[in-house]
Amino acid sequence: SYVLTQPPSVSVAPGKTARITCGGNNIGSKSVHWYQQKPGQAPVLVIYYDSDRPSGIPERFSGSNSGNTATLTISRVEAGDEADYYCQVWDSSSDHPRVFGGGTKLTVL
Amino acid sequence: QVQLQESGPGLVKPSQTLSLTCTVSGGSISSGSYYWSWIRQPAGKGLEWIGRIYTSGSTNYNPSLKSRVTISVDTSKNQFSLKLSSVTAADTAVYYCARVRGTVGPFDPWGQGTLVTVSS
Repeated sequence: SYVLTQPPSVSVAPGKTARITCGGNNIGSKSVHWYQQKPGQAPVLVIYYDSDRPSGIPERFSGSNSGNTATLTISRVEAGDEADYYCQVWDSSSDHPRVFGGGTKLTVL
Repeated sequence: QVQLQESGPGLVKPSQTLSLTCTVSGGSISSGSYYWSWIRQPAGKGLEWIGRIYTSGSTNYNPSLKSRVTISVDTSKNQFSLKLSSVTAADTAVYYCARVRGTVGPFDPWGQGTLVTVSS
């Protein structure tokens, strides 16, 4: 089955840029979606189809996808961005079409 | 704006069947090209997809759970449901329902989640 690899943790100072990666075999050929999950809350979609941003999500959130790595970039990081972030793709090559990455804990220093 | 709400028992005994319902409000479960999905999250762990159903009734399940899972839809009640049989403590988790846009779209929106504990 398809595997997505995320770093367990990323730390960044307020005002700086955070980059969270999601690695997968030829992930650039797939559509990647990103979710933010704060403690005790349901995940929230922050980026879909690699780089589209839902209404209500700040422009500070952006995404890219090429080759074997997709990246969620958060510019001008704020304390409120501290959360777990998950990438997700649908792998149509198997009967197990969904894959979530293991998640990355973003810590704002 | 579509909203989803999970409901069901918060405590299930080992070997019994876990049953949850997701009620869709603010829109028809039959409209549009949407799949309706269940995802779970054990405490302190990541997200695990359980399965999805299209309004036609076609389903896809996580192979690791497939032998125990049934997802069904009741369009008259604007609901879809999850049944997970022969549960063990390993099935203790927060269970979420979510809408999926199309075949390869994102999960959006999500329900608030409901904690199900498997214990005697």
